[in-house]
Amino acid sequence: AQSVTQPDIHITVSEGASLELRCNYSYGATPYLFWYVQSPGQGLQLLLKYFSGDTLVQGIKGFEAEFKRSQSSFNLRKPSVHWSDAAEYFCAVLRDKVIFGPGTSLSVIP
Amino acid sequence: EAGVVQSPRYKIIEKKQPVAFWCNPISGHNTLYWYRQNLGQGPELLIRYENEEAVDDSQLPKDRFSAERLKGVDSTLKIQPAELGDSAVYLCASSSGPNTEAFFGQGTRLTVV
Repeated sequence: AQSVTQPDIHITVSEGASLELRCNYSYGATPYLFWYVQSPGQGLQLLLKYFSGDTLVQGIKGFEAEFKRSQSSFNLRKPSVHWSDAAEYFCAVLRDKVIFGPGTSLSVIP
Repeated sequence: EAGVVQSPRYKIIEKKQPVAFWCNPISGHNTLYWYRQNLGQGPELLIRYENEEAVDDSQLPKDRFSAERLKGVDSTLKIQPAELGDSAVYLCASSSGPNTEAFFGQGTRLTVV
């Protein structure tokens, strides 16, 4: 069955520290991959996407993600976290329809 | 360019009452999705439209939920009657095609009391 897992339910980092959020997917073929961010009371905003080509993709707000086919992973990274990055982060796959992971809640310590 | 517009933003109803949510997708987007997001979870697909046709409604609880997308533009999601467990955020999204990125509205937060 198609699925998306995000092993970390909640992560806390200090402002200025680096960040990596993990995402693994289970799919018959390589799907299209996305990361979305959701601030409290808000809808989902697309951070970045991978369709094909370069496996390291750049997104908005200084985020990047790396697709690793051998590990079925699409981890999100940011070199220096800002307090405003505190939010819920969702990894998602697309093959006809968008399927979301359970999300990782990020807290940032000033 | 206007994004996906949903209304209302918030709705509180008593159980057994009906409720409807409205979505206006991005202009020109043929694909429209309705998702339900429970607290602390990722969104779960309820129904997907390609133009006016519902091409995936396997997760829609058809005994009480219904949706329509007349003329292939705006869409309405209805619950009748609502149950306590229906309390959630209902998200609408649209995309230019079935395998393109989806853009989301702000959502409607439903509270059933």
